[in-house]
Amino acid sequence: SAVISQKPSRDICQRGTSLTIQCQVDSQVTMMFWYRQQPGQSLTLIATANQGSEATYESGFVIDKFPISRPNLTFSTLTVSNMSPEDSSIYLCSVVPAGGPEAGELFFGEGSRLTVL
Amino acid sequence: AQSVTQLDSHVSVSEGTPVLLRCNYSSSYSPSLFWYVQHPNKGLQLLLKYTSAATLVKGINGFEAEFKKSETSFHLTKPSAHMSDAAEYFCVVSDTGFQKLVFGTGTRLLVSP
Repeated sequence: SAVISQKPSRDICQRGTSLTIQCQVDSQVTMMFWYRQQPGQSLTLIATANQGSEATYESGFVIDKFPISRPNLTFSTLTVSNMSPEDSSIYLCSVVPAGGPEAGELFFGEGSRLTVL
Repeated sequence: AQSVTQLDSHVSVSEGTPVLLRCNYSSSYSPSLFWYVQHPNKGLQLLLKYTSAATLVKGINGFEAEFKKSETSFHLTKPSAHMSDAAEYFCVVSDTGFQKLVFGTGTRLLVSP
């Protein structure tokens, strides 16, 4: 299956700071998404990362708070800006491979566990 | 608008007994339905998916699910639980392919020896 590497895997941050999470895939993908999983909760889609253009955000999520980049077909970043304790969550990158037997499937990274003090 | 309801937050079974995780959905169109599993400190793994082909869908690790349009249900079953099945299971619905997945709140499966 597509190998998705997320960095950092976990971090503890101070209130008011920003953190950038990286998502690297070992093969080209057609679509990349960012999800949030708050403690004890289900997953919520933050945005679709579009290559070479602005991400498409879901209701309740804005670019100023969660800027996203996707410079190519295999890499994306999500920044959590001006963090507060409410941002403590697992942030997951998910992708749809472009070709091969896994084309059309959706794969998830292992997530980045963020704790904000 | 699409939504999904997982009827049980926790299910406990003994090893070797059947597993039933219940899921009901709401969708305006012909939905795609998925079951994902999340083991502790691991990413999500696709168990199976329904995309308007056969209504009985077989997945990995002996799991299967049946799409019942009349009941708007997509329950996950396994004939015999294994200790390694202990995890969080998410039922997911989408009207638009992968563009917008809507996750249920999850069911934690506990398997006792």
